[in-house]
Amino acid sequence: SQTIHQWPATLVQPVGSPLSLECTVEGTSNPNLYWYRQAAGRGLQLLFYSVGIGQISSEVPQNLSASRPQDRQFILSSKKLLLSDSGFYLCAWSGAVSNEQFFGPGTRLTVL
Amino acid sequence: KNQVEQSPQSLIILEGKNCTLQCNYTVSPFSNLRWYKQDTGRGPVSLTIMTFSENTKSNGRYTATLDADTKQSSLHITASQLSDSASYICVVRTGGYNKLIFGAGTRLAVHP
Repeated sequence: SQTIHQWPATLVQPVGSPLSLECTVEGTSNPNLYWYRQAAGRGLQLLFYSVGIGQISSEVPQNLSASRPQDRQFILSSKKLLLSDSGFYLCAWSGAVSNEQFFGPGTRLTVL
Repeated sequence: KNQVEQSPQSLIILEGKNCTLQCNYTVSPFSNLRWYKQDTGRGPVSLTIMTFSENTKSNGRYTATLDADTKQSSLHITASQLSDSASYICVVRTGGYNKLIFGAGTRLAVHP
């Protein structure tokens, strides 16, 4: 069966510090991968998606970047965090046939 | 503009009671509509999916309805349990695999 992991689960970082969140998927090959941010009281916002290694599409301009160094690894990064980067970050995957997205457990990021 | 609006924002009910959550969407083209359950601090988990031709879909005590003419969906929870306390998110897919429009969710609290 397929599983999706995210770490860390929670993170508290000072403004201006770098960020690296990791997402890995097991039990599937060549998944589509997604990074979302969920702000309190608002719907999930798609940040990035990837259809293959090294292929990243950005949905909104922002302070963040994404990379896919391996087939089942998706990384969300920032060089300098802003207060507005605080939120709940969710990684998701979908298969080539089914468009259902399966979400990871999420990372709660607090920027102070 | 593609939008998904959910009501109410929050709801408190007593254990054993029924409740209905609403979702109105203005999304075109329409592909399918999913209801997700999201426990606090966790990733969303799919409950039901409906395409244009489906009017109702059940998953245990959860029953979703879809009226494609009025662009409305509802999620009915029967005989609520404490474990039903969560946020319920309505998601409409339009077009390609990355085109998901998320509602802000309804936060349900079931009290003993």
